[in-house]
Amino acid sequence: DQQVKQNSPSLSVQEGRISILNCDYTNSMFDYFLWYKKYPAEGPTFLISISSIKDKNEDGRFTVFLNKSAKHLSLHIVPSQPGDSAVYFCAASVSGGTSYGKLTFGQGTILTVHP
Amino acid sequence: DTAVSQTPKYLVTQMGNDKSIKCEQNLGHDTMYWYKQDSKKFLKIMFSYNNKELIINETVPNRFSPKSPDKAHLNLHINSLELGDSAVYFCASSQLPGGWTEAFFGQGTRLTVV
Repeated sequence: DQQVKQNSPSLSVQEGRISILNCDYTNSMFDYFLWYKKYPAEGPTFLISISSIKDKNEDGRFTVFLNKSAKHLSLHIVPSQPGDSAVYFCAASVSGGTSYGKLTFGQGTILTVHP
Repeated sequence: DTAVSQTPKYLVTQMGNDKSIKCEQNLGHDTMYWYKQDSKKFLKIMFSYNNKELIINETVPNRFSPKSPDKAHLNLHINSLELGDSAVYFCASSQLPGGWTEAFFGQGTRLTVV
């Protein structure tokens, strides 16, 4: 049972436009959400996160929005740059209890930004 | 200066062999993890250690045995390798075992069992 889902396997946008990557989750216990970026032959690198007490977090060109009632989060990249082309993974965790930092990942979305 | 490093980066071996993957982090983190990325590209946690103590074991076959000689190292030993073990294995570390903290990943080890 996949608790974190990224239903768009790929996304293609023009340089300078907005990229919107979506993620849905089913486990209502998740209270911390992260986005990772991954280039080929490299490990995932942390991009931005949001806790469940917020509905928006912004870091430069990257903004993550959280809609808890819909169990949905999205990553906005504005403006998109060719260097943003990568696989983007959504991840979620439960901060307390015995989760011990375990991250549950979505299957990733391949973003391609065209010059 | 690499924060989380894994060796080897590529590993090709025959079925039935035993192999190890090493992981080291220089971030001073207390918690380390092993994740597996399968052919469908899902990243799934296998193990987590906090201060050398196993705290997560996600129903991984007994052929997989993690070992943490100190909190900066978490090695993965795999016995009697099978074709289905072919995957990319990622080591990661985080400052805290829980709470609102992100994990830092190594570059991955691509294991191919033939």
